[in-house]
Order: sequence, then structure tokens, then C-alpha cells
Amino acid sequence: AQSVSQHNHHVILSEAASLELGCNYSYGGTVNLFWYVQYPGQHLQLLLKYFSGDPLVKGIKGFEAEFIKSKFSFNLRKPSVQWSDTAEYFCAVNERAGSARQLTFGSGTQLTVLP
Amino acid sequence: DSGVTQTPKHLITATGQRVTLRCSPRSGDLSVYWYQQSLDQGLQFLIQYYNGEERAKGNILERFSAQQFPDLHSELNLSSLELGDSALYFCASSVGSSTEAFFGQGTRLTVV
Repeated sequence: AQSVSQHNHHVILSEAASLELGCNYSYGGTVNLFWYVQYPGQHLQLLLKYFSGDPLVKGIKGFEAEFIKSKFSFNLRKPSVQWSDTAEYFCAVNERAGSARQLTFGSGTQLTVLP
Repeated sequence: DSGVTQTPKHLITATGQRVTLRCSPRSGDLSVYWYQQSLDQGLQFLIQYYNGEERAKGNILERFSAQQFPDLHSELNLSSLELGDSALYFCASSVGSSTEAFFGQGTRLTVV
């Protein structure tokens, strides 16, 4: 079964600092990769996705992520965070083939940005 | 607004009771997913339906069941409720099984 690991449980940064959140997955087949964000008290929203092609994908709000197939990683980055980026960030994976393609989420990383 | 509608937004009920959570997917989406989010367990996949058929099962308890109706809306039934079932229950929908999922606002269930 596929699994997703997010090693940073809580990250605290000052405004304007750079961000990188780690995500590793375990699955031998072809996968689709996603990052979702959950602002306090809200539902999950899609930040960006990778299906195929350029392994560097750009999402909303200045976020980007890089897919490194050899490392089974899909790390999220942002050059300069803002206070409004305070939220929980979830990496997710689903299989591209097969009949059961549920989205499997990591445990999430809580990002706190200090003003 | 993601286009996925969940009702009710909040639900408070007693242990041993049964509740039904409802989800209307985005127009055109055939897949519906149910997730449970709690502080200690994180975001847990419960079950997926695709065009009325069960497609995948995750960590769903036997006391829980779900179905997707011909109009594609879905219901999650939780019975014999326990205090530990208190959580946020999210529904998500997608066009197919391997495209991105869009989440509803969730139903916050409190079992007292």
C-alpha cells in the first residue's frame, strides 16, 4: 500500500524566510502528487499538483514543488513566506493506474509564520 | 468555494446514536471520497465511490457505511457512536479516480 511521509510536524518561520517542506512517498508505480493547504477552520484547498512533464510545478500563492523520482520526493517550496501562509500543509499521492486510486495523505505540517 | 457541499456543518449527538452525513459533489464529478480528520489520527481515508460503485475502502469501521446514489450525492452513515468518533468528516469529489480532489467544508461531529 502506498504511504506518504511528512517529516516536519511543525515549522515556525519569520516573515520573508524561505520555506521547504519535505514529502516522501512509497509506491513503486506511477503516481500523481499533490499539495493541499488547510487554513485554520477551513477545508483543504489544492495548492498544486503534478501528473507528468516538467518536474518543477508552480501552484497558487507563489508556491512550487519539485518531483524527484529517484528520491520518491515532492518537496514544497516558497522563497518568501507571509503571515497569511500560516496553515497546515498536506502532501498527497494517488496511483495513476489500478482500480482503487484513493488519495493518500501525509500527516501534515503545521506552518506558523511570525509577523 | 470548492463546489462540494456538505451538510450539516455541525452535529452534536449522544453516544450510541446514529447519524447521516450528506455530500453533494461538484457538478460533473463522478468520484466521491470520505475522510475523517482528528487531532490524533490526522486525515484518514474512509471510502471512495465512483459513479455509484464502491471503489476503495480505507480505515472505515464496521459501524460506518456509505453509499453513492444515482444522482451522485453520497451519504456517510455512522452508527453506535462513541466518543472517539468525534472528528471532522470531509467529503471530496473528483472527475475521475486519478484527478485532483476538491474538498467540502466538512461536518464537525461531536459525540457527547
